Amino acid sequence: EVQLVESGGGLVKPGGSLRLSCAASGFTLSSYTMNWVRQAPGKGLEWVSSISSSSSNIYYAESVKGRFTISRDNAKNSLYLQMNSLRAEDTAAYYCARDFGYFSFWGQGTLVTVSS
Amino acid sequence: EIVLTQSPGTLSLSPGERATLSCRASQSVSSSYLAWYQQKPGQAPRLFIYGASSRATGIPDRFSGSGSGTDFTLTISRLEPEDFAVYYCQQYGTSPWTFGQGTKVEIK
Repeated sequence: EVQLVESGGGLVKPGGSLRLSCAASGFTLSSYTMNWVRQAPGKGLEWVSSISSSSSNIYYAESVKGRFTISRDNAKNSLYLQMNSLRAEDTAAYYCARDFGYFSFWGQGTLVTVSS
Repeated sequence: EIVLTQSPGTLSLSPGERATLSCRASQSVSSSYLAWYQQKPGQAPRLFIYGASSRATGIPDRFSGSGSGTDFTLTISRLEPEDFAVYYCQQYGTSPWTFGQGTKVEIK
């Protein structure tokens, strides 16, 4: 069974940093593009970033470019999102999701709150 | 970026009725790279339709997707109690991938 489990969310002050993790199981992580998608409280979905299976291709939404860094460790079956210079508007549930383009499987999400 | 506009914002229907959800793109979606997701409160989204009309694994055949270019539709032929939720469309033909704002299907 495919499982994606996010962790690392929490409360952080504006300008602070946070690193999210996504543990994958039930499939071979190294074969798939992985993504981060976020959802602000009560709002819609926003694609954040994607990383190809070998990390050779990385993409970011304009809203996070230069502040967030996506990475992966296929040997550890893990996906990461390093978030720096956090802003109030980054407050959201962050989901990791599998596949390039459309998102076949999603984790349950981890909540990031940016507030002083 | 491609802006997706979903309508209506809320659809109030009774179980057994037919639901028609619309997703309109600000420019043509390449190769019908359009997906639909269902999200229930407190849960992650779930893929229902990809490639505009292909059902994801385990999705019942009362759900169907259609359309091309800039106009896409998700149809639920007969609403079951578990179908009441928010539905989002998403295009993945042109980067950045974008989502519509969602349509809530609620019980009338």
